[in-house]
Amino acid sequence: DTAVSQTPKYLVTQMGNDKSIKCEQNLGHDTMYWYKQDSKKFLKIMFSYNNKELIINETVPNRFSPKSPDKAHLNLHINSLELGDSAVYFCASSPMIPGQGTSLHFGNGTRLTVT
Amino acid sequence: DQQVKQNSPSLSVQEGRISILNCDYTNSMFDYFLWYKKYPAEGPTFLISISSIKDKNEDGRFTVFLNKSAKHLSLHIVPSQPGDSAVYFCAAVNTDKLIFGTGTRLQVFP
Repeated sequence: DTAVSQTPKYLVTQMGNDKSIKCEQNLGHDTMYWYKQDSKKFLKIMFSYNNKELIINETVPNRFSPKSPDKAHLNLHINSLELGDSAVYFCASSPMIPGQGTSLHFGNGTRLTVT
Repeated sequence: DQQVKQNSPSLSVQEGRISILNCDYTNSMFDYFLWYKKYPAEGPTFLISISSIKDKNEDGRFTVFLNKSAKHLSLHIVPSQPGDSAVYFCAAVNTDKLIFGTGTRLQVFP
């Protein structure tokens, strides 16, 4: 019973293409996130949604567009892919926005390779 | 500007000994800290946390220490086991988001 699942696990595509990564959580959490882990292994937040509303957008290029059709889903669409977009993208969820006593539950990541 | 830093990219410890992983932060407004553990090809999983009103929190073999004046926290694992071999991330809550360090790869050898 996977709590936070994201698909696909691997994604190899060419520069200029448009691709999507899907994420679903069955934990009943209100808040969902996208994190990017780059080649230096730095885990950096990209977006955060609370009850389908965008609450964090960390100066990510507008080629990246998150969409939350409902509380349990947060998808990430990327237009005009660039080499620098190659990374592992992690989806996560938490019961509420981070604070005392709140931890994030992560999916297993999507490794995106742009050639 | 990295607000959470883990200056040791790797650590190697013998099974049964203590593992000490360190983390420094720059923002004195951080009030909640977490440690995550990550195996290859998996997402990070929550390990232990500490509030800034405490200086120690213990859970089984894992203890986190917080030194607010030094803006430093550490994770102690004792005794270390081979299954503890993973990458460990510290994280701090900043307003409404978690900020992660770059991780320390721990290897526990027999």
